[in-house]
Amino acid sequence: AQTVTQSQPEMSVQEAETVTLSCTYDTSESDYYLFWYKQPPSRQMILVIRQEAYKQQNATENRFSVNFQKAAKSFSLKISDSQLGDAAMYFCASENQAGTALIFGKGTTLSVSS
Amino acid sequence: DTGVSQDPRHKITKRGQNVTFRCDPISEHNRLYWYRQTLGQGPEFLTYFQNEAQLEKSRLLSDRFSAERPKGSFSTLEIQRTEQGDSAMYLCASSLNRGAEAFFGQGTRLTVV
Repeated sequence: AQTVTQSQPEMSVQEAETVTLSCTYDTSESDYYLFWYKQPPSRQMILVIRQEAYKQQNATENRFSVNFQKAAKSFSLKISDSQLGDAAMYFCASENQAGTALIFGKGTTLSVSS
Repeated sequence: DTGVSQDPRHKITKRGQNVTFRCDPISEHNRLYWYRQTLGQGPEFLTYFQNEAQLEKSRLLSDRFSAERPKGSFSTLEIQRTEQGDSAMYLCASSLNRGAEAFFGQGTRLTVV
């Protein structure tokens, strides 16, 4: 079965600093998709960034970028110039083989201090 | 389109009662998912619809749980004979294609007392 592991239950960062959230996954597929989702307190989950496994280039979205290491099955999220609004729970997810479900990690709670 | 909406937002029920939740996905999305999330955990997949067909169900979905998506539009998730262990946030999401962004609703928080 596919698994996604986030080994950091909590992380903290100061405003304007950079933080990296870790994620490893396990899949036997060669073509798959990886995601980072953000869930602010009491608010709905939203997509932060998405990576297609067949693309070598790491995805970037403004202050958010990933370090995708396919051989190591690692997919970390880097947040640059952290802002107070970045405080949330962050979930790493991979799509299952059939494309019918997302498999989520347990999440990392990110706190941002001024 | 205002995104994925779920109703109700909160539900408190007594053990043994039946409850039904509704999800209205983004209108052009043919893929609809239900997840369950407990406090401090990641969402766990429950079931998947492509249009009106329920194509996948998790082993988490016991026979007390049933989901429908008539005419491929809104979906309902019913839990019969609720148990305290059913207390969780139930999330609905929809997407357009495999690998595409899934849009989530705000969830229905179920408390079984």
